[in-house]
Amino acid sequence: NAGVTQTPKFQVLKTGQSMTLQCAQDMNHEYMSWYRQDPGMGLRLIHYSVGAGITDQGEVPNGYNVSRSTTEDFPLRLLSAAPSQTSVYFCATEGAGGTETQYFGPGTRLLVL
Amino acid sequence: EDQVTQSPEALRLQEGESSSLNCSYTVSGLRGLFWYRQDPGKGPEFLFTLYSAGEEKEKERLKATLTKKESFLHITAPKPEDSATYLCAVRSGSARQLTFGSGTQLTVLP
Repeated sequence: NAGVTQTPKFQVLKTGQSMTLQCAQDMNHEYMSWYRQDPGMGLRLIHYSVGAGITDQGEVPNGYNVSRSTTEDFPLRLLSAAPSQTSVYFCATEGAGGTETQYFGPGTRLLVL
Repeated sequence: EDQVTQSPEALRLQEGESSSLNCSYTVSGLRGLFWYRQDPGKGPEFLFTLYSAGEEKEKERLKATLTKKESFLHITAPKPEDSATYLCAVRSGSARQLTFGSGTQLTVLP
């Protein structure tokens, strides 16, 4: 039982490049979300999904795309990376039934030059 | 709009020196206040959920309390391994999203 996994752990991009951050969970959780963490600003919600085929925007969605084709996976896509997207990205999941606890992955550190 | 403010930003304690971290919040209809611990280079690790004013929860040297406007994370006789950043988050209304504070970086010196 791996919980929440994220790949890669670290990535360097050049401005304008695209990439996909992967998030996978084996807990059969319906809710998945992406946050970014910047110094002094806490964790901010980018996008979230309440189930396969359903996604919605969070607080800071610009520059990011998501899709949810399966319960297990929730990839985050950067179509044209910008230096402002340099951050640490965390995926989180939450089960149904009002558990109210979100479990976080280990994070992906992204540097955009 | 939900708001969460944590203080202090950083706290240095000697081993055994008890203290408290503060989390002030503004929400419309609190559905839960969450405390997480985050070690450097790791994802946040869940500690507690508090739902209503007056509620308290404990785990080892940590005790979380909740009022209508703030939450405290009390650390009793801390050890160096308690050094981490402690994050507070709230959930309100029918949304499942969490709003986080910017955290308190705790350092416990041996």
